[in-house]
Amino acid sequence: AQSVTQPDIHITVSEGASLELRCNYSYGATPYLFWYVQSPGQGLQLLLKYFSGDTLVQGIKGFEAEFKRSQSSFNLRKPSVHWSDAAEYFCAVGSFVGAQKLVFGQGTRLTINP
Amino acid sequence: EAGVTQFPSHSVIEKGQTVTLRCDPISGHDNLYWYRRVMGKEIKFLLHFVKESKQDESGMPNNRFLAERTGGTYSTLKVQPAELEDSGVYFCASSQELRRRYGYTFGSGTRLTVV
Repeated sequence: AQSVTQPDIHITVSEGASLELRCNYSYGATPYLFWYVQSPGQGLQLLLKYFSGDTLVQGIKGFEAEFKRSQSSFNLRKPSVHWSDAAEYFCAVGSFVGAQKLVFGQGTRLTINP
Repeated sequence: EAGVTQFPSHSVIEKGQTVTLRCDPISGHDNLYWYRRVMGKEIKFLLHFVKESKQDESGMPNNRFLAERTGGTYSTLKVQPAELEDSGVYFCASSQELRRRYGYTFGSGTRLTVV
């Protein structure tokens, strides 16, 4: 069965600092991987996705993520965070053969210190 | 294009009452999904419609939950009778059939509180 683990429930970083949010997945084949962000009062917004090709993917708002098959990881990074990045971030894995649904991690809440 | 619209945005009901959540997908999106996040837990899949047909309802927690999608347009999710453990945020998402690998567009969610 598919599963996603986000080991960090809550992370606090200072504005301007670099950020890495961890995501590990368990899936029997090549997965489709996503990062979503939920800002307060907003819906889930797609930051970036991976399903094939270059293992380093660029997303919106200056985020990137790297797919590492050997580590079953898809960590999200940003070189310099802004106060507006404070939100909750969700990693998800998708299977588009057979059952079409996303399996999400528990989410990582990001707090930005001024 | 207009996004996925959900309403109400918030609902507070008493245990035993009935609540109906509505989702309007993006026009032309045949795929519609319901997900739920209960407090502190991960977001979990509830069910998937293709047009008006239920493709996968394996995530529906029990028979107190009834989802419909009349005419393949908007969808409703009814909880009857509501229990305390039904509290959470209910998300709806939609996608075009040929673009599902590119991810879904989610709505803002309905926060349901059962007291």
